[in-house]
Amino acid sequence: DAGVTQSPTHLIKTRGQQVTLRCSPKSGHDTVSWYQQALGQGPQFIFQYYEEEERQRGNFPDRFSGHQFPNYSSELNVNALLLGDSALYLCASSTPDRFFYGYTFGSGTRLTVV
Amino acid sequence: QKEVEQDPGPLSVPEGAIVSLNCTYSNSAFQYFMWYRQYSRKGPELLMYTYSSGNKEDGRFTAQVDKSSKYISLFIRDSQPSDSATYLCAMSAGGSGGYQKVTFGTGTKLQVIP
Repeated sequence: DAGVTQSPTHLIKTRGQQVTLRCSPKSGHDTVSWYQQALGQGPQFIFQYYEEEERQRGNFPDRFSGHQFPNYSSELNVNALLLGDSALYLCASSTPDRFFYGYTFGSGTRLTVV
Repeated sequence: QKEVEQDPGPLSVPEGAIVSLNCTYSNSAFQYFMWYRQYSRKGPELLMYTYSSGNKEDGRFTAQVDKSSKYISLFIRDSQPSDSATYLCAMSAGGSGGYQKVTFGTGTKLQVIP
């Protein structure tokens, strides 16, 4: 049973560029949440998708946007990259009724902005 | 003030010691309390979750929640070198539909020395 798959695992971008990160949820999961984890910090909630709609959003600027596809996979897009966007981006999947049982996380995408 | 406070450590203990990890929180709406373990370069994995107050035991791990004090703990008995990781507390208000974000602490880095 495949868990949560994220791609790419690492990437380096230049300030001002745009980036797209991808996530395939665990089999049977239909809800995807994205988190940003800066070095030495806990994950910070970006947004959550269910039924192809953004259901909740954390305190992140509009430069951060996302999408969920009919097969439940998801993308995170970040425009006009800043140095401060360098972090590990985590995707977590769940089902709405078992949300509080906890997410299943992917291993993340390490983004470095130079 | 952060909603969830966690001592970042690092915490270094000898093998076989009892480890106590703690978090405090300010949001009285939190009802679901979780502990995640994160190994280096990996995504967090759920260890235990607790609903409302009380204790929960799973093998060498015991989670405690004191809602009156807004304080949660994770105890690890007979600690092993394989327990060396960052431990993240996480909390959620829950609610219908499952569209509730999970708020994480900053994580405590634990090292168990053989």
